[in-house]
Amino acid sequence: AQSVTQLGSHVSVSEGALVLLRCNYSSSVPPYLFWYVQYPNQGLQLLLKYTSAATLVKGINGFEAEFKKSETSFHLTKPSAHMSDAAEYFCAVRGSGGSQGNLIFGKGTKLSVKP
Amino acid sequence: DADVTQTPRNRITKTGKRIMLECSQTKGHDRMYWYRQDPGLGLRLIYYSFDVKDINKGEISDGYSVSRQAQAKFSLSLESAIPNQTALYFCATSYPGNTEAFFGQGTRLTVV
Repeated sequence: AQSVTQLGSHVSVSEGALVLLRCNYSSSVPPYLFWYVQYPNQGLQLLLKYTSAATLVKGINGFEAEFKKSETSFHLTKPSAHMSDAAEYFCAVRGSGGSQGNLIFGKGTKLSVKP
Repeated sequence: DADVTQTPRNRITKTGKRIMLECSQTKGHDRMYWYRQDPGLGLRLIYYSFDVKDINKGEISDGYSVSRQAQAKFSLSLESAIPNQTALYFCATSYPGNTEAFFGQGTRLTVV
């Protein structure tokens, strides 16, 4: 069965600093991986997705993520944090077998950005 | 207009009451989902439907039921609400295959 682990429920960075949000997955089949962002009082918005085409995936708002099969990781990065990046971020993997099509989510990482 | 619309956006109900949360979509997707979000637990799948005649239980279906009235409509019911069903509920849709899901704005439900 697929699963996702996000390391760190809260991450705090200064404005202009590197953002690194960690995600490790478990999957018995080639995974399809996603990062979503949730701003306060809003739904989830797709940041980027990995579907096996390229290991480095670029998303919206300057975010990118690198798929590393050997480390079973899909960490999200942004070179320079902006105040508007403060939100909760979720990593997800698509299920397989009977649950194919369902997204399985990590528990989320809340990002704070200090001025 | 939103592609995935949830109603109501906020609801307070009493323990033991029956409540229905509604979701409609204009994206033309066959697949629809109901998730529940709790602080620190992420999103957990309640029910999913791959087409009008196909409905499946998710990870936490106990205490919930669903109805797929049409391709575009998928409702979640709490037959007898209890306080630990207080949560943020999301409806989502997707195409078949390994694609992303599109989420509604959520319904904040409080059971008192």
